[in-house]
Amino acid sequence: KNQVEQSPQSLIILEGKNCTLQCNYTVSPFSNLRWYKQDTGRGPVSLTIMTFSENTKSNGRYTATLDADTKQSSLHITASQLSDSASYICVVSGQAGTALIFGKGTTLSVSS
Amino acid sequence: DAGITQSPRHKVTETGTPVTLRCHQTENHRYMYWYRQDPGHGLRLIHYSYGVKDTDKGEVSDGYSVSRSKTEDFLLTLESATSSQTSVYFCAISERSWDTEAFFGQGTRLTVV
Repeated sequence: KNQVEQSPQSLIILEGKNCTLQCNYTVSPFSNLRWYKQDTGRGPVSLTIMTFSENTKSNGRYTATLDADTKQSSLHITASQLSDSASYICVVSGQAGTALIFGKGTTLSVSS
Repeated sequence: DAGITQSPRHKVTETGTPVTLRCHQTENHRYMYWYRQDPGHGLRLIHYSYGVKDTDKGEVSDGYSVSRSKTEDFLLTLESATSSQTSVYFCAISERSWDTEAFFGQGTRLTVV
């Protein structure tokens, strides 16, 4: 069964600290993996996309990694800010014509 | 939010009543989706559309129907609302198929009492 598992479920860090969120998936065949950020009361917004051949991709303070062999991805947030407080959702796409598989998300709280 | 408008944003309705949620886009994207989001679950696909009058079921389609008579509008109807359909509903759009970025609306919070 195609699944996406995220850890931790929730995380609290101090402003300015770094953190890493994990995503493991069993989706096969694999097309791409996206990380979405969802602020409270809003819809998810894409942060980055990882395709099979990509290992690392950065978007400002966000860096995503992908290991297609072990089917693992991580999202590293550097120098966290209060505005980073949100739910981060890992979404995996299989071959064309199959539905997106969503993880349950990691809720990040950044405190001052 | 990429030219996506959901209406209403909040609704409280009684069990057994029909409810229609509307999603309107200004991006001329071919694909439109309805998801529900519940605590402890990831976003789950209810129905999707790949063109005018072309729709298909997702993983949690029971109790829901959809219609798309124009490219820009995708309606989700709960034929007879139940308490289990209390949820936050998100509309999403994408330009091509599953492996392109999906843009989400702001959501509709539906409470069935």
